[in-house]
Amino acid sequence: AQSVSQHNHHVILSEAASLELGCNYSYGGTVNLFWYVQYPGQHLQLLLKYFSGDPLVKGIKGFEAEFIKSKFSFNLRKPSVQWSDTAEYFCAVNVLAGGTSYGKLTFGQGTILTVHP
Amino acid sequence: GAGVSQSPSNKVTEKGKDVELRCDPISGHTALYWYRQSLGQGLEFLIYFQGNSAPDKSGLPSDRFSAERTGGSVSTLTIQRTQQEDSAVYLCASSLTTGSYNEQFFGPGTRLTVL
Repeated sequence: AQSVSQHNHHVILSEAASLELGCNYSYGGTVNLFWYVQYPGQHLQLLLKYFSGDPLVKGIKGFEAEFIKSKFSFNLRKPSVQWSDTAEYFCAVNVLAGGTSYGKLTFGQGTILTVHP
Repeated sequence: GAGVSQSPSNKVTEKGKDVELRCDPISGHTALYWYRQSLGQGLEFLIYFQGNSAPDKSGLPSDRFSAERTGGSVSTLTIQRTQQEDSAVYLCASSLTTGSYNEQFFGPGTRLTVL
């Protein structure tokens, strides 16, 4: 079964610092990749997604992620974080088979990001 | 409505009681998913529906858990004889399809507390 690993449980940054959150998955086939964000008291929201094509994908609020197939990685980045980026971030994988999704998302453990003003 | 809705938002129950959690997916979404979010376990897949059928029930933790979906829309997750370890936030998500471009939209969740 596939698994998703997020390297950092809690990251603490000051505003304007750069951010990189690591995500690795363990499945050798074709996958869809996602980053979701959960702001305090709110529900999960999609930050960005990779289905195919350009491995560098851009999402909302200045976030981007790079899919490196050889490393089974999909790291999330932002050049300059803001206090409002304080949230929990989840990486997720959806396995494809013959072009049809199996449906379920497998999530990483989540990374709590705290940004100090 | 514009998004996935779930009810109730909070549920407190006593150990041994049955509970029903409801999910209304986004209109027109054929696929519906249930997940559980708990401390120490993170986000776990429970079950997914394509239309009214459930091709994948692999995540249901025990036979006390069941789910149904009627009319290709509303879904109910039932937990019988609740245990304290069932305490978690139960999330529902829906997507337009389970095809290659499967993007899931999540509801606000139901926080279940078993005393």
